[in-house]
Amino acid sequence: DQQVKQNSPSLSVQEGRISILNCDYTNSMFDYFLWYKKYPAEGPTFLISISSIKDKNEDGRFTVFLNKSAKHLSLHIVPSQPGDSAVYFCAASDNQAGTALIFGKGTTLSVSS
Amino acid sequence: NAGVTQTPKFRVLKTGQSMTLLCAQDMNHEYMYWYRQDPGMGLRLIHYSVGEGTTAKGEVPDGYNVSRLKKQNFLLGLESAAPSQTSVYFCASSYGDMRATEAFFGQGTRLTVV
Repeated sequence: DQQVKQNSPSLSVQEGRISILNCDYTNSMFDYFLWYKKYPAEGPTFLISISSIKDKNEDGRFTVFLNKSAKHLSLHIVPSQPGDSAVYFCAASDNQAGTALIFGKGTTLSVSS
Repeated sequence: NAGVTQTPKFRVLKTGQSMTLLCAQDMNHEYMYWYRQDPGMGLRLIHYSVGEGTTAKGEVPDGYNVSRLKKQNFLLGLESAAPSQTSVYFCASSYGDMRATEAFFGQGTRLTVV
């Protein structure tokens, strides 16, 4: 039973437009959420995170929104660039469950120029 | 400034063979992790360590063993490889708990068990 779901396997966006990647979770005990980006043949790299006490966190072109009542978070990339083309993983953690991040299956973002 | 280095990058094993994957980090991080990624799946935690001499089981530990004899190294062992262990293995390290701090990943080891 997946606790972190990324229901869209892929997303295509034109350069300069907004990319919105979505993530749903089922465990109400999750208190920290992170996004990682992964290029082919490389390890994932940390992108941005948000604590459950906030509903928005912004870092340059990247903004993560958290809607706790809907158990939903989204990553907005504005403006999108071809270099943003990668797989994006949503991850969540439960402070009571040991040192483990639960990852979603990932969404492949393709930004065309 | 190497970061996290995994050795080897590729390996083909026959069923029943054993091997050790090496992870080395030069950032003086306390926490180290081994994940596996299978097609269409997210990363799943195999084992982790919160400091030198400590190890703990993650989500999918069966068939694997680990050791953290030195702070900078985290070894993942397969005693008797099975085709189900065909996967891409990622090592990661973090200064604090990766649930709340940035973790740095290695480039991965692609393992095929035939």
